[in-house]
Formats: sequence, structure tokens, C-alpha cells
Amino acid sequence: DAKTTQPNSMESNEEEPVHLPCNHSTISGTDYIHWYRQLPSQGPEYVIHGLTSNVNNRMASLAIAEDRKSSTLILHRATLRDAAVYYCILSWGPGANNLFFGTGTRLTVIP
Amino acid sequence: EAGVTQFPSHSVIEKGQTVTLRCDPISGHDNLYWYRRVMGKEIKFLLHFVKESKQDESGMPNNRFLAERTGGTYSTLKVQPAELEDSGVYFCASSLPPGPNNTEAFFGQGTRLTVV
Repeated sequence: DAKTTQPNSMESNEEEPVHLPCNHSTISGTDYIHWYRQLPSQGPEYVIHGLTSNVNNRMASLAIAEDRKSSTLILHRATLRDAAVYYCILSWGPGANNLFFGTGTRLTVIP
Repeated sequence: EAGVTQFPSHSVIEKGQTVTLRCDPISGHDNLYWYRRVMGKEIKFLLHFVKESKQDESGMPNNRFLAERTGGTYSTLKVQPAELEDSGVYFCASSLPPGPNNTEAFFGQGTRLTVV
């Protein structure tokens, strides 16, 4: 499995932007970058995914480095509901088959 | 529209007993996945169905685990006999056929299995 490296934890003030980094120096050309999050007592929830270009959706933005060896998940305005463990995951193709979740980043949102 | 539903939400069984977990995917989702988190470790992939066929079962830990998806609708994951190290949370997910613009998997809330 291609591995990712994320900080164990981060804090953010409510209503401020959050930048969650992820390093994936061993990424291959066909690997997709997925972000999922897990709220307390819930199953994982899809956030966003990308391959080469930056991506935006209603939940977040994904900024992918030009060499694809790192990416950043951007939450534009953190809310208390965004407190969760965020997982940066590489997969050899699109889809949720054989996702390697790793330890993720625990985001704490401070009111 | 109902999400992915898992039954039961909790199960406590004795070592050596059999337990069957059920997953009802989102209607129309041919792809169904099982994952689990055991003993406070990371969430790990178990297997992937496309309709009733096992597409990838590389994550199944041993032959005590049997997954089925007869008819390509709901799926069951049976553990027989259960061991203490099987305790954890078992997640099911479903998705449409994967594509560059369609990678989202929807996860259920999980079944917490405790083997005593």
C-alpha cells in the first residue's frame, strides 16, 4: 500500500480556515488521493478526492502539489461539526476498494 | 433515501460462538465493501463485492470469516468461531461503479462486536 503521513492532531478555532496536510512521497501515477473523515461514533464519511488537479466541493477543497507528493485538505470555515479524524488515503484507482486508512489527523475545533 | 444500514449495532458473544453481521447497501449500489477496526488499530479493508461476486477478498484475515451477498443485495459477514481478537467495529460501505468522477463510498455506522 502506498503510504501517507499526517500529523496526529491539529486544532482550529471555529469559523477559521483549516489546512490539513498530507505527505505521500511514494505516490504512483495512477494513485488517487482520497480524504475521508470519521466523526465520533460514526462510520467514515467521504470528503473529497483528486488525481492531479485541485478540487473543490461543497465540503472542502483539495490542493495537490505539482509533483503530487503532498496534498492539503482545506476546510474554509471550521465548525464544531467538523471535529473528526481526517484520513488521507491513496488508492490505485477510483473507488473504495482496499482503502488504507492509516492513523489520520484528529481535528479539534475550539469554540 | 436510506443510507447504508448495518445490523446489529452491537453484539456481545462468547468466544467460540458464531455471529452474523448484516449490511444493507444503498439501493442500486452494486459495489459493497467490508472494513473493520479491531483492538484500537487502524480501519482495514476486508473485502469487496460487485453484485454477488467477490471482487477482492485479500483483506479477509482467515477462514473463520465468511462473507456472502446472495442476489447482489444485502450482505452478511459470519464469524465462526469467534475469537477474542475479532472484537472491534465492522463497517460496511457501498458505492456506484467507480469512475474518475465517482469515487464516493457511503459507510454505515458499523457493528460493534465484543467477544468475551
